[in-house]
Amino acid sequence: AQSVTQLGSHVSVSEGALVLLRCNYSSSVPPYLFWYVQYPNQGLQLLLKYTTGATLVKGINGFEAEFKKSETSFHLTKPSAHMSDAAEYFCAVSVGLAGGYNKLIFGAGTRLAVHP
Amino acid sequence: NAGVTQTPKFRVLKTGQSMTLLCAQDMNHEYMYWYRQDPGMGLRLIHYSVGEGTTAKGEVPDGYNVSRLKKQNFLLGLESAAPSQTSVYFCASSYPKVGPRNSGANVLTFGAGSRLTVL
Repeated sequence: AQSVTQLGSHVSVSEGALVLLRCNYSSSVPPYLFWYVQYPNQGLQLLLKYTTGATLVKGINGFEAEFKKSETSFHLTKPSAHMSDAAEYFCAVSVGLAGGYNKLIFGAGTRLAVHP
Repeated sequence: NAGVTQTPKFRVLKTGQSMTLLCAQDMNHEYMYWYRQDPGMGLRLIHYSVGEGTTAKGEVPDGYNVSRLKKQNFLLGLESAAPSQTSVYFCASSYPKVGPRNSGANVLTFGAGSRLTVL
């Protein structure tokens, strides 16, 4: 069964430091992978997604993620953290349903704190 | 452009009471979903719908019912609320890119959430 594991429920970085949020997945078929961000008291919004093609995917707000099939990973990075990046981040994998439809399986989330 | 709107945003219920959460989208999306979010568990799919008049069970459907009588609305009902249903509920919708077999690449648009407390 497909699943997503996010390593580290809380990550804290200094403003200007590298952000690295880890995500590993298990999937029996080539996966579609997503990163969503949730700001306080808001719904989730898409940061970036990997479907096919280039394994380095660029998203909004300077984030990017690299799909590594050999490591079954899809880690999220940003070279320089900003205070406004403080939020909860969710990695997700698309899973097939009966009838050919898909749903998203989410990881448990990583809360990113950015301090001055 | 409203996107996905959930009502109510907050609700407190007593055990055994019933209620309905309403989700409305104005993007003409075919697919709609109800998720619940609990600390340390991410989001888990409750029910989903791939079109008007159709619904299906997700990962955690027990204690919930849904209806999709109109394409733009997806209702989540709790017939007899239990404390275990205290959670934040998110509705989402998406549009199939090229039919169901390519729907894996769909991007979900989420509502702002409905916080439910059952005492």
